[in-house]
Amino acid sequence: DAGVIQSPRHEVTEMGQEVTLRCKPISGHDYLFWYRQTMMRGLELLIYFNNNVPIDDSGMPEDRFSAKMPNASFSTLKIQPSEPRDSAVYFCASSDRGPGRTLHFGNGTRLTVT
Amino acid sequence: EDQVTQSPEALRLQEGESSSLNCSYTVSGLRGLFWYRQDPGKGPEFLFTLYSAGEEKEKERLKATLTKKESFLHITAPKPEDSATYLCAVQAGNTGKLIFGQGTTLQVKP
Repeated sequence: DAGVIQSPRHEVTEMGQEVTLRCKPISGHDYLFWYRQTMMRGLELLIYFNNNVPIDDSGMPEDRFSAKMPNASFSTLKIQPSEPRDSAVYFCASSDRGPGRTLHFGNGTRLTVT
Repeated sequence: EDQVTQSPEALRLQEGESSSLNCSYTVSGLRGLFWYRQDPGKGPEFLFTLYSAGEEKEKERLKATLTKKESFLHITAPKPEDSATYLCAVQAGNTGKLIFGQGTTLQVKP
């Protein structure tokens, strides 16, 4: 099992540019989560999907953020336009039992917006 | 408001020096409390789940305990490889989502 795979590992972009983060969950896991980690706020849930359908996006900070899951093996988190305050580590996680069960995290994408 | 507070923020131990990390929580209807370990540059890795007060779980040098207001992660005779950030999370009853604490960064010196 390859685990949750995220790409890219690092992303540096200029303010105003579009950023797309990618995630491949563990095969057979039907829940997928996007988290953001910062020193100030810790690990925050942005959105999660069940069977490719967004269930709760209440953590998405604003309309500049959007997430999609076109199929069971791929999800994207897009920020357009990006701002310096979006700089953080973004984690994708998957689970086979729901939002309160054991989460399997990827190694994250470190985003820096200058 | 559901909240998770971990203490201390950072802890330095000598190899073999046992200690405990604290996770206190206020949540409406606790459905589960989780401990994760996070190494630098990596995603959090699951350690334990506790569901009810009085429950204990053990794994190698780690033991997690749970009361109605807090959880402790006891580290017995730690080794340098136990150095990491330990995250506590609670599953809130109303939403079912995990709410994470800020973490305790543990450094074990040889």
